[in-house]
Amino acid sequence: DAGVTQSPTHLIKTRGQHVTLRCSPISGHKSVSWYQQVLGQGPQFIFQYYEKEERGRGNFPDRFSARQFPNYSSELNVNALLLGDSALYLCASSLKDRGNTGELFFGEGSRLTVL
Amino acid sequence: AQTVTQSQPEMSVQEAETVTLSCTYDTSESDYYLFWYKQPPSRQMILVIRQEAYKQQNATENRFSVNFQKAAKSFSLKISDSQLGDAAMYFCAFRLIQGAQKLVFGQGTRLTINP
Repeated sequence: DAGVTQSPTHLIKTRGQHVTLRCSPISGHKSVSWYQQVLGQGPQFIFQYYEKEERGRGNFPDRFSARQFPNYSSELNVNALLLGDSALYLCASSLKDRGNTGELFFGEGSRLTVL
Repeated sequence: AQTVTQSQPEMSVQEAETVTLSCTYDTSESDYYLFWYKQPPSRQMILVIRQEAYKQQNATENRFSVNFQKAAKSFSLKISDSQLGDAAMYFCAFRLIQGAQKLVFGQGTRLTINP
């Protein structure tokens, strides 16, 4: 079975541009979460979606937005890119959204570089 | 707000020896999970071990075990019989049982295995 897949794997943007990152969860998983991992640091929570509804939001500006589609795939959008948005963006999926959700499975991430 | 601290940026161990990675956390809640994740150069976060806070017994997974001290808010990972494939970044993480599926990560410890 395919794991969590993310695209693109690498991309380069310039300041002020917009970026869309995509994530396909493991088949049957209805919860998708997004994390930002700046080089040398641990990941930071951005969003969680379950059944197309936002279940949680981290401390990120409104330039960051996300959505989940009926097939449970998800997009993370970042507007007006800043140099500080350069990071590895990780997507994770799980069966449930609360309580004992079982294991959280991560994708290999999308490496965004902002010049 | 919950915080997770890993005070060892780097650790090294001889192959076949035992190494312990440290983690402390801060929370006023009583129901939560603690995790250790491994991130090899492939970037994909892999769950190593998980501990439920309500369980007094320390979790074990083959060569990996934890020392969970709830009162001290300490959660260390012991790797026995270290293997070359254990080399990676290791992250300690915290999640409340209730609420959004939000993992709070520490800064990570880079583990090197010396042959």
